[in-house]
Amino acid sequence: DGGITQSPKYLFRKEGQNVTLSCEQNLNHDAMYWYRQDPGQGLRLIYYSQIVNDFQKGDIAEGYSVSREKKESFPLTVTSAQKNPTAFYLCASRLDRTDTQYFGPGTRLTVL
Amino acid sequence: ELKVEQNPLFLSMQEGKNYTIYCNYSTTSDRLYWYRQDPGKSLESLFVLLSNGAVKQEGRLMASLDTKARLSTLHITAAVHDLSATYFCAVINTGTASKLTFGTGTRLQVTL
Repeated sequence: DGGITQSPKYLFRKEGQNVTLSCEQNLNHDAMYWYRQDPGQGLRLIYYSQIVNDFQKGDIAEGYSVSREKKESFPLTVTSAQKNPTAFYLCASRLDRTDTQYFGPGTRLTVL
Repeated sequence: ELKVEQNPLFLSMQEGKNYTIYCNYSTTSDRLYWYRQDPGKSLESLFVLLSNGAVKQEGRLMASLDTKARLSTLHITAAVHDLSATYFCAVINTGTASKLTFGTGTRLQVTL
């Protein structure tokens, strides 16, 4: 099955802890993206990567970090510096020379 | 800065009725996307509109794009309960690695 997987589906974190969200795709897509969605709102871009070993900040990168060591993987770390991390996090990927982004199932992060 | 506005934010309609969701954006773009999101789920791509005057239809949904007016519409014909979801439009930030800017979404509730 080809697609984008995110894990875990639900994640609980204590304040002050870092946590890493996984995003894997086997679509051979070149670009990958991380978005955050708050209740009743649209998606906001956190980070994106167009090629391996390269990534750029999106609109709300503060308190987050990413890596892109492999084409198929783009993990997101939510650090303790992120003041309000409770949200729904969506990963997306896109094939080069196309525009459509395809989304993973999402991870719901709750800070206790 | 690209801004995308949708209206209405919430729409309750009876089965069998017609209605239109509007999406306005603030700067030049010739690529617009419509996505559907069911509660707690990821985003499903509905339409990609690539040029001025583009019109696409799938079942009871029809999307159009007017790049001169910076306006896209999503028209719902003879609504059915299964169309209940949140609908997002998103616009490409031209020349920026296909970054998407999302509207706040329109939550559609179709009542029996």
